[in-house]
Amino acid sequence: SQQGEEDPQALSIQEGENATMNCSYKTSINNLQWYRQNSGRGLVHLILIRSNEREKHSGRLRVTLDTSKKSSSLLITASRAADTASYFCAILYSGGGADGLTFGKGTHLIIQP
Amino acid sequence: EAQVTQNPRYLITVTGKKLTVTCSQNMNHEYMSWYRQDPGLGLRQIYYSMNVEVTDKGDVPEGYKVSRKEKRNFPLILESPSPNQTSLYFCASSLVGRSSYNSPLHFGNGTRLTVT
Repeated sequence: SQQGEEDPQALSIQEGENATMNCSYKTSINNLQWYRQNSGRGLVHLILIRSNEREKHSGRLRVTLDTSKKSSSLLITASRAADTASYFCAILYSGGGADGLTFGKGTHLIIQP
Repeated sequence: EAQVTQNPRYLITVTGKKLTVTCSQNMNHEYMSWYRQDPGLGLRQIYYSMNVEVTDKGDVPEGYKVSRKEKRNFPLILESPSPNQTSLYFCASSLVGRSSYNSPLHFGNGTRLTVT
């Protein structure tokens, strides 16, 4: 299985600061998605970026994709306590193989009030 | 409200006692999938279904069965549970599967299974 790898594994910042987390992968992709998981709950889709896109925005979220470096970053601006959660990148790889997204192990984000 | 509903939320059982975790979605989604989440391993796909009567193995299918007799339901069956199947399980659905490439997944709230 070709999991994406998030970096860092854990991140703790002060409320109001920006949080950046990264995802690296190994082979060519169709799209890359970011999900949020509050403790023990189901994942919630945040944003999807296609392989031919370089940047997308959604509210306080900004996602970039660099296919030459096989990496993506998720930036959360002006963080809030409610942003405390785990964030996962999920990759839809090109080509054959099992269907579905391949999830990374996640970045655990803690926003200190 | 559009949602994926899993039941039960928590389940404690003993080794070898057959169990079923139900999953239902009300969004007329074609694609459904089961994942398990374990500390340090992230989410791993167990089985998925592209449509009614079409199912296929994911990355970790051993010890699990699924069926897709109706579009809305995708139960996960453990015929003879073992302690290594203790995990947090998620059902998810999307409008279509790989063919559209751009359908985000909608997740249920999870089933925490403990096998003793």
